[in-house]
Amino acid sequence: EVQLVESGGGLVQPGGSLRLSCAASGFTVSSNYMSWVRQAPGKGLEWVSVIYSGGSTYYADSVKGRFTISRDNSKNTLYLQMNSLRAEDTAVYYCARDQVGATTNDYWGQGTLVTVSS
Amino acid sequence: QSALTQPASVSGSPGQSITISCTGTSSDVGSYNLVSWYQQHPGKAPKLMIYEVSKRPSGVSNRFSGSKSGNTASLTISGLQAEDEADYYCCSYAGSSTFEVFGGGTKLTVL
Repeated sequence: EVQLVESGGGLVQPGGSLRLSCAASGFTVSSNYMSWVRQAPGKGLEWVSVIYSGGSTYYADSVKGRFTISRDNSKNTLYLQMNSLRAEDTAVYYCARDQVGATTNDYWGQGTLVTVSS
Repeated sequence: QSALTQPASVSGSPGQSITISCTGTSSDVGSYNLVSWYQQHPGKAPKLMIYEVSKRPSGVSNRFSGSKSGNTASLTISGLQAEDEADYYCCSYAGSSTFEVFGGGTKLTVL
């Protein structure tokens, strides 16, 4: 059974850092396209980043230069390193497996809440 | 402001059909057949309902269908059921620079 479990969310001050983890089971992270999508409280979905099976990475303009997507093949885990956090980064962060490399997230985690506030 | 434009809300009675539109530009919806639709119930993760404009993942009811014309994609739900009440989001590939954009979401109310 495919399962994605995020962790690492919490309260952080503006300018701070946080690393989110997404532990996968039932499939191999390194052989798939993996995405992060976020949702601010009461708002819509926003694509954040994707890592391709070959290692290529892409980012939304809103996080480019501040966030880094990566994976640990030995742990079958996806990560999102978030630096220089801003209040507008407050959201539930979901990891997802993308079936074709863009727009096709067929499995999602339950989400982890990141709150950026002083 | 979302990159793709969806109506804020739509409603229909059980058994009826509704259509949700998703309007983009020639840089996203109009250029690629990578348009998807997600259903999200309150407090839950999104669920993929349609991908590549009109394909249905395994397990998704055939009451859900997708189409595209020019810069506008559409999701049609036929035979509305109470459990269809949820938020629906469209998503489109927008090229290697912007990559992926979502619509603002549409709240479907089953009367």
